Amino acid sequence: AQTVTQSQPEMSVQEAETVTLSCTYDTSESDYYLFWYKQPPSRQMILVIRQEAYKQQNATENRFSVNFQKAAKSFSLKISDSQLGDAAMYFCARTYSSGTYKYIFGTGTRLKVLA
Amino acid sequence: GAVVSQHPSWVICKSGTSVKIECRSLDFQATTMFWYRQFPKQSLMLMATSNEGSKATYEQGVEKDKFLINHASLTLSTLTVTSAHPEDSSFYICSVRDRGLYNEQFFGPGTRLTVL
Repeated sequence: AQTVTQSQPEMSVQEAETVTLSCTYDTSESDYYLFWYKQPPSRQMILVIRQEAYKQQNATENRFSVNFQKAAKSFSLKISDSQLGDAAMYFCARTYSSGTYKYIFGTGTRLKVLA
Repeated sequence: GAVVSQHPSWVICKSGTSVKIECRSLDFQATTMFWYRQFPKQSLMLMATSNEGSKATYEQGVEKDKFLINHASLTLSTLTVTSAHPEDSSFYICSVRDRGLYNEQFFGPGTRLTVL
């Protein structure tokens, strides 16, 4: 089945603290890509970080990093030094159907940042 | 990344009318665009893959006669919701695919459709 699961509908974090959002997925493909997108209240989808499945090294982008466990099909997002502007819906996504590289999205995690 | 625009950003129409939504890739030649639908507090659901110069490919359960997609150029794809009904009210988002290293998608700002 083509599924991406985000088991945390909502998370809260204190400003300046660290939070981890979880994502697991199903796939039988070997060639795929994983992404985290942020959707603020404006609803514009913004790419946060990306990971190639064949790379063991975890991706990092400034305060954002991932813990990619390919065998476990897990792709969690860690946000360090959380800021008020990080408050948003976060969606995990992976590509499927190599050739078109369509996305399947997870159900989303709403992140609240507390001042 | 690619800059993607959508027009209109918000549209209200009467039941039974048709509505056209445009998706433009402003700085990128997009051979592949995608159309999504997002209900309130839900995730994005892929409706169809729009390929320049060919027919769109629709996901299972999406009525292709209701949601007409045209990708006539490398910078423009349109989604026409025909004979719209209140249940078609939703947020519609397009994206363009970058065929570079990551095959990532860049998203438009979305169009809110309300059918009365």
